[in-house]
Amino acid sequence: AQSVTQPDIHITVSEGASLELRCNYSYGATPYLFWYVQSPGQGLQLLLKYFSGDTLVQGIKGFEAEFKRSQSSFNLRKPSVHWSDAAEYFCAVGGGFKTIFGAGTRLFVKA
Amino acid sequence: DAGVIQSPRHEVTEMGQEVTLRCKPISGHDYLFWYRQTMMRGLELLIYFNNNVPIDDSGMPEDRFSAKMPNASFSTLKIQPSEPRDSAVYFCASSLWLGNQETQYFGPGTRLLVL
Repeated sequence: AQSVTQPDIHITVSEGASLELRCNYSYGATPYLFWYVQSPGQGLQLLLKYFSGDTLVQGIKGFEAEFKRSQSSFNLRKPSVHWSDAAEYFCAVGGGFKTIFGAGTRLFVKA
Repeated sequence: DAGVIQSPRHEVTEMGQEVTLRCKPISGHDYLFWYRQTMMRGLELLIYFNNNVPIDDSGMPEDRFSAKMPNASFSTLKIQPSEPRDSAVYFCASSLWLGNQETQYFGPGTRLLVL
């Protein structure tokens, strides 16, 4: 069955520190992978996506993610977190018309 | 492009009333999705359309929920009668199918509170 697991419900990092949000997926074929961000009261905004090619994907707002097929992972990273990055982050997998979303990881940023 | 547009942004109603949520997808997109987001259940896909035709409505929770897409630029999600447990944020998203790839773009959501 297709599924997405985000093991961390919430994470707190200090401003300026590095960030890694974990995502593991289960998918029967080559997955298409996404990271979305949702700020409070807002809709989901696409950060980046992986369809094929280079396994290190660059996105908006300084985020990147690395697809590791052997680990079924697609972790999101940022070298230096800003206070404005505080939000909820969703990993998603899709290979057709139905995209499956993880439960989300809420990021808190402390000064 | 203005992105996906949803209205109203907030809706407060009483139990038993009919609620209609509206969505205008991005022009040219051929897929439209309705999602519901709650703290307990996260983001759930309710139904999606391709070229205005409902493809999969298996996520629609009950017969009280119905969705239509009369044309490529408009869709509605209706709840009749509404119940307090329907309180949630409802998102509309649209996408364009490119070969075997699609990326969904979300609207800002409608926050529904049923008293």
